[in-house]
Amino acid sequence: GAGVSQSPSNKVTEKGKDVELRCDPISGHTALYWYRQSLGQGLEFLIYFQGNSAPDKSGLPSDRFSAERTGGSVSTLTIQRTQQEDSAVYLCASSLTGGEVHGYTFGSGTRLTVV
Amino acid sequence: EDKVVQSPLSLVVHEGDTVTLNCSYEVTNFRSLLWYKQEKKAPTFLFMLTSSGIEKKSGRLSSILDKKELFSILNITATQTGDSAVYLCAVNSGTYKYIFGTGTRLKVLA
Repeated sequence: GAGVSQSPSNKVTEKGKDVELRCDPISGHTALYWYRQSLGQGLEFLIYFQGNSAPDKSGLPSDRFSAERTGGSVSTLTIQRTQQEDSAVYLCASSLTGGEVHGYTFGSGTRLTVV
Repeated sequence: EDKVVQSPLSLVVHEGDTVTLNCSYEVTNFRSLLWYKQEKKAPTFLFMLTSSGIEKKSGRLSSILDKKELFSILNITATQTGDSAVYLCAVNSGTYKYIFGTGTRLKVLA
């Protein structure tokens, strides 16, 4: 697609429920990232996918968080048993290579509110 | 530990003012520095800086990098209400990850 597409744009869920956030990167971009931005905070790295390589999951805050990328394109971030501290904007970004040369293009994000 | 610090945290100015936003960093193997503008949710790319002393310019915005003193500044001249946003700085230390600062929240009053 023309840009990075994320859905849903907003999600309100009850504490303890599971949620799935979707990211469709720019066509041809091999690198895909998930970041989290809590209120008043900078962007916190969560996970990185590059082509068919094993993802870097070092930023995932707990084992309730997981992500996959099917066919090297669309990615899904899943949060199980959501907690109130999971409330944040979840941003997906993609880049042509590893981002160090061209930087990232961000999607519009998903605002998750856990009540 | 690699880190990026932005200052000020927030700033309120009037239309027509000039502002300077600061970004200092400590990383083990600097490769590039990015500036983004975030108005609602999606940060939009402004500049990528890799070399010291070379000013990048786009309209009323400009930015420069000092690799010796480990900082960058983003200047906005003749500010407009549409410049109101959070400005994010991010540094790459030779890997695929960028480390982001917490941002500077700029509000421009009419």
